[in-house]
Amino acid sequence: DAGITQSPRHKVTETGTPVTLRCHQTENHRYMYWYRQDPGHGLRLIHYSYGVKDTDKGEVSDGYSVSRSKTEDFLLTLESATSSQTSVYFCAISFTGAGETQYFGPGTRLLVL
Amino acid sequence: TQLLEQSPQFLSIQEGENLTVYCNSSSVFSSLQWYRQEPGEGPVLLVTVVTGGEVKKLKRLTFQFGDARKDSSLHITAAQPGDTGLYLCAGARAGGQNFVFGPGTRLSVLP
Repeated sequence: DAGITQSPRHKVTETGTPVTLRCHQTENHRYMYWYRQDPGHGLRLIHYSYGVKDTDKGEVSDGYSVSRSKTEDFLLTLESATSSQTSVYFCAISFTGAGETQYFGPGTRLLVL
Repeated sequence: TQLLEQSPQFLSIQEGENLTVYCNSSSVFSSLQWYRQEPGEGPVLLVTVVTGGEVKKLKRLTFQFGDARKDSSLHITAAQPGDTGLYLCAGARAGGQNFVFGPGTRLSVLP
């Protein structure tokens, strides 16, 4: 299994509070992705990174920001959590980007009350 | 509107039956992947297809990429309870740096 961990694995928070999710990899892969998964929608890309300090938006980036200061860590921040951001969040890594295998982390289940 | 559609959305069958699930789009993809996801875990890659008309086999699973590279199918022969899970297709567009996922087909194989 690819070395990908996500923390926390579960979180309950209140509307309006900031939340940061962490993805950590030990594979030295260049690409890292944040997805959210909701029933009926599959996985939707929030943001991705193609190198240290190089990030770009995905299809559902509003209300989210990311940072990547080291190859191994990719942080997702919900600046002011809303109930619509209740979801399961998955981090993925890829060696060379689109067309290559994506390895997924175990997910973070977030509930915003 | 989903860029990738998957059908059926749900499928419940008995052990030993055959089944086919579909992934369709109006867009052309440079490659297409199939993943399986089990409850509480992240998706795991099953196969990548890159050539129009390509057929790949993985034990009892057969994957086909459409000639026009807009659609794909996954056929499972003699399904087993261990095949239960959510099957996701994901397409990569030429020049793109990321994938687009379909909503998935949730398969339940009953013993």
